[in-house]
Amino acid sequence: NAGVTQTPKFQVLKTGQSMTLQCAQDMNHNSMYWYRQDPGMGLRLIYYSASEGTTDKGEVPNGYNVSRLNKREFSLRLESAAPSQTSVYFCASSGGTRVTGELFFGEGSRLTVL
Amino acid sequence: GESVGLHLPTLSVQEGDNSIINCAYSNSASDYFIWYKQESGKGPQFIIDIRSNMDKRQGQRVTVLLNKTVKHLSLQIAATQPGDSAVYFCAENLGGSARQLTFGSGTQLTVLP
Repeated sequence: NAGVTQTPKFQVLKTGQSMTLQCAQDMNHNSMYWYRQDPGMGLRLIYYSASEGTTDKGEVPNGYNVSRLNKREFSLRLESAAPSQTSVYFCASSGGTRVTGELFFGEGSRLTVL
Repeated sequence: GESVGLHLPTLSVQEGDNSIINCAYSNSASDYFIWYKQESGKGPQFIIDIRSNMDKRQGQRVTVLLNKTVKHLSLQIAATQPGDSAVYFCAENLGGSARQLTFGSGTQLTVLP
């Protein structure tokens, strides 16, 4: 049982390049999330999907797009990467459509934008 | 979102001692409080949560205490082990929306041999 799987684990981009971070969960969870984690700061929500077919903006959505491809997969796309998007990105999932506390996180994707 | 703060950014304890990690929150309307553990290079892992109508909740070697009067949350780890070395951060949830889940920045716990 893999849980939440993210790819790639590491990526280096040049300013202006685009890329997609992939996330898949095998726990049959309804809700999925994308967070970014920067030094000295708490996790910040970029986008989330409360159920298949729906997506909503979080605290820091600018410069990102998401796709909830099916119940298992939730991707995050950077259309034109900027140095400010250098961060560690975490995908997470939870069972219900309402968030209580327990989120299951992936191992993270470390992105550097030069 | 509301800020969630931690009293100390680092904490060192001797192996076998008890650890106490503190967290202050600012929104008295928060319904859930959660503790996560994040080991180096890994994703956060849920430890324990507590609802606002509770004062204390115990898990395996961990206890969370909630003091709503002073808006304070603490995580106690009994008989701290080397595998407990990690960043611990608290989170508060104002309701059922992901947008209302706010994470603190974390405390680095180091277990000394």
